[in-house]
Amino acid sequence: DAMVIQNPRYQVTQFGKPVTLSCSQTLNHNVMYWYQQKSSQAPKLLFHYYDKDFNNEADTPDNFQSRRPNTSFCFLDIRSPGLGDAAMYLCATRLGTRVGGEQFFGPGTRLTVL
Amino acid sequence: GDSVTQMEGPVTLSEEAFLTINCTYTATGYPSLFWYVQYPGEGLQLLLKATKADDKGSNKGFEATYRKETTSFHLEKGSVQVSDSAVYFCALTEPFTGTASKLTFGTGTRLQVTL
Repeated sequence: DAMVIQNPRYQVTQFGKPVTLSCSQTLNHNVMYWYQQKSSQAPKLLFHYYDKDFNNEADTPDNFQSRRPNTSFCFLDIRSPGLGDAAMYLCATRLGTRVGGEQFFGPGTRLTVL
Repeated sequence: GDSVTQMEGPVTLSEEAFLTINCTYTATGYPSLFWYVQYPGEGLQLLLKATKADDKGSNKGFEATYRKETTSFHLEKGSVQVSDSAVYFCALTEPFTGTASKLTFGTGTRLQVTL
């Protein structure tokens, strides 16, 4: 089945220690998104790629970076995680040419910062 | 800007009860409307969608009708099950291609169904 895969599902890191979360997709969608979701809140968009074009949300901290080496893979790098970065991180994809097309979400990576 | 307002939770129902979760929106154009469901510890799954006025989305017994005159997209199910316990998000996106078509989410409504 075509899908969005996130690894790992659970990630524990130490305060200030860089961490990378990964997302891959078999849908061949050209748009990929990274969201941060804290407990009992809606997902908050961090950034997205439209093809190779990177688009950062205005309020995304500089501590968060992303890479998209090819259509299928996208990475979220947190350079110096703080306690406030503990959250669920969701990757999503969409076919950009489809009007009103929905986003397809992965299962998420839950990040714990010690 | 666009916004989505959905009813506060948690909503607690007995199994086989009727469910309504209200959702209203504000948008500049003609958005596509979605209901996503999130089970504990999981990502979001698309439950249903509607892309134009009077469209009815349906899936797994859930229904929602795109009402442009009332800017609403209320979620309904005739008989809920314990397995429907989850958080439900109403969302919209502007139907432009060539852009990110960002999702605007409501705050989410937690549904708990008891035996």
